[in-house]
Amino acid sequence: DTEVTQTPKHLVMGMTNKKSLKCEQHMGHRAMYWYKQKAKKPPELMFVYSYEKLSINESVPSRFSPECPNSSLLNLHLHALQPEDSALYLCASSQDTGTGLIYEQYFGPGTRLTVT
Amino acid sequence: AQKVTQAQTEISVVEKEDVTLDCVYETRDTTYYLFWYKQPPSGELVFLIRRNSFDEQNEISGRYSWNFQKSTSSFNFTITASQVVDSAVYFCALSETIDSGGSNYKLTFGKGTLLTVNP
Repeated sequence: DTEVTQTPKHLVMGMTNKKSLKCEQHMGHRAMYWYKQKAKKPPELMFVYSYEKLSINESVPSRFSPECPNSSLLNLHLHALQPEDSALYLCASSQDTGTGLIYEQYFGPGTRLTVT
Repeated sequence: AQKVTQAQTEISVVEKEDVTLDCVYETRDTTYYLFWYKQPPSGELVFLIRRNSFDEQNEISGRYSWNFQKSTSSFNFTITASQVVDSAVYFCALSETIDSGGSNYKLTFGKGTLLTVNP
């Protein structure tokens, strides 16, 4: 099973709201990722978690706060977003062997976020 | 610096035609991995293939085939006898190792090629 699930599928929020995006995988992967994708653009990496620890933060504004409660779950907490943060947010996971081998990332269907 | 160039922004073909999507990359890593992903209108990125820099054998999977040429830093993707369901944005991606242990990496994506297959 190569499934990554994300909830919700769509989210509309005001600039003062607090909301969370959720991602789950049951492939035993120990690396999980958040990407942001604007229309007609490639995905942009936001965060990487490796063995439940944040390993990469691509200089993302603090209004985005990631959390990895366990090896299967990844959350993205949103607070005081701006209209320009409207985008498709994609979660992905991959094997992380720590041996230098690099494996493919499996992506979820994404959450389409609109900030009003 | 890492870079992936997909020079074809959009391609339109008629069903049953063969189509090749180009991908050229630049990297400073001696060991690296290349990937192709498909993104249909529904939005989910679907993994198609992973190839490491030491394996230059071409690969075929059904109607899909990939031509990896290290000498020209290219990793092209061909769809044979295209179908309407192949319509999607296709991304080529290159791995970039983040730490010296090699366990953390990021993907550098090309800008994508929008393929439209018309009936």
